[in-house]
Amino acid sequence: DSGVTQTPKHLITATGQRVTLRCSPRSGDLSVYWYQQSLDQGLQFLIQYYNGEERAKGNILERFSAQQFPDLHSELNLSSLELGDSALYFCASSVIGSGPQHFGDGTRLSIL
Amino acid sequence: DQQVKQNSPSLSVQEGRISILNCDYTNSMFDYFLWYKKYPAEGPTFLISISSIKDKNEDGRFTVFLNKSAKHLSLHIVPSQPGDSAVYFCAASAAEYGNKLVFGAGTILRVKS
Repeated sequence: DSGVTQTPKHLITATGQRVTLRCSPRSGDLSVYWYQQSLDQGLQFLIQYYNGEERAKGNILERFSAQQFPDLHSELNLSSLELGDSALYFCASSVIGSGPQHFGDGTRLSIL
Repeated sequence: DQQVKQNSPSLSVQEGRISILNCDYTNSMFDYFLWYKKYPAEGPTFLISISSIKDKNEDGRFTVFLNKSAKHLSLHIVPSQPGDSAVYFCAASAAEYGNKLVFGAGTILRVKS
């Protein structure tokens, strides 16, 4: 158990819809990262937050947004969903902005 | 542009023997390297890491070697156990880029008993 909690575990929805994925980092970790794992792209970095502020951005689509709240949990919002958004979405956390990142078990998003 | 490459999709090893997983990178800005293990339906689990100022780091049965001149790192598992069977990902990060992890495609390790 990494201590990183992601909900929900599975999400099935339709094209055009909007979903919110939630992540609670390990106790004491200030930094949260979001990654997408799809079959053809592997694990890809999306975005990082540190103590409530956006720190780094990767290949995150404009239809996607994220935030980190004062209690340090984070949410990833995906809107206008397309079939290609079907993937595993992982959240990771670390104590500060460096050092090993610890991953949750992911949210599997299926777009029908 | 694959900055981190794991060229072996799979590796099969006998229980008790050494497993060697390899990883190559192209970006000289990377200064921190990690290995993760992943079981199906679970997230990646951190195994071991190494900073670019070192060439070796050891933790129990796991040792990571870094050859900066060759831009190559490897993970040695000795002795290999059936429970080590999983997908192993190599990852790299750079302070310059906010420490986001860049992952390799993974190597499936099968340890036969």
